[in-house]
Amino acid sequence: QVQLQESGPGLVKPSETLSLTCTVSGGSISPYYWTWIRQPPGKGLEWIGYIYVSGSTSGGTNYSPSLKSRVSISVDMSKKQFSLKLSSVTAADTAVYYCARRVGATRIDPWGQGTLVTVSS
Amino acid sequence: AIQMTQSPSSLSASVGDRVTITCRASQGIRNDLSWYQQRPGKAPKLLIYAASSLQSGVPSRFSGSGSGTDFTLTISSLQPEDLATYYCLQDYNYPLAFGGGTKVAIK
Repeated sequence: QVQLQESGPGLVKPSETLSLTCTVSGGSISPYYWTWIRQPPGKGLEWIGYIYVSGSTSGGTNYSPSLKSRVSISVDMSKKQFSLKLSSVTAADTAVYYCARRVGATRIDPWGQGTLVTVSS
Repeated sequence: AIQMTQSPSSLSASVGDRVTITCRASQGIRNDLSWYQQRPGKAPKLLIYAASSLQSGVPSRFSGSGSGTDFTLTISSLQPEDLATYYCLQDYNYPLAFGGGTKVAIK
């Protein structure tokens, strides 16, 4: 079955760029919406955005309006990895970041285990 | 943007009780709604999609209903392992939006 694993620095300085990678194993990377979601400590879930992969090409992206000016999601199909970049981070970006697979427009499954990113100097 | 309002925000029930959680959308979303269970310290897990379809492997005590703006997640007989926070998610349009969550405790 498909498994997802996030990787990247657990500590990022304010004003720098947060970079995370999600590795997909056990299944195809196409055709799905590869998604990032975050959860600040003790709070609810927030959708960040996705990149759509179909066949041998990556399709469009879609981002949360509240993050759109700072976020970018990309994919490396040869490595079966997709990545998140969030620029100009502040303490408000401290959260557990989850990567996940969105199936059609119906459900998000599975999810990675999540990785805590702390923004602090 | 569509807003998702969950109620209650928390509840406490006994093992064997029937538990109902409600999610209301700020506009109609057909049946484009899914439910997720997040146990403490774990990633969310899909329970229900398309408002009422049970995800493979999820116990049959979980069920979902609703369409349009009002949706319900029901646990027919609460079990100790159901201690968790439950979230709804609208997948009708962008940005995707989660409800605020319902924390379920066991008495």
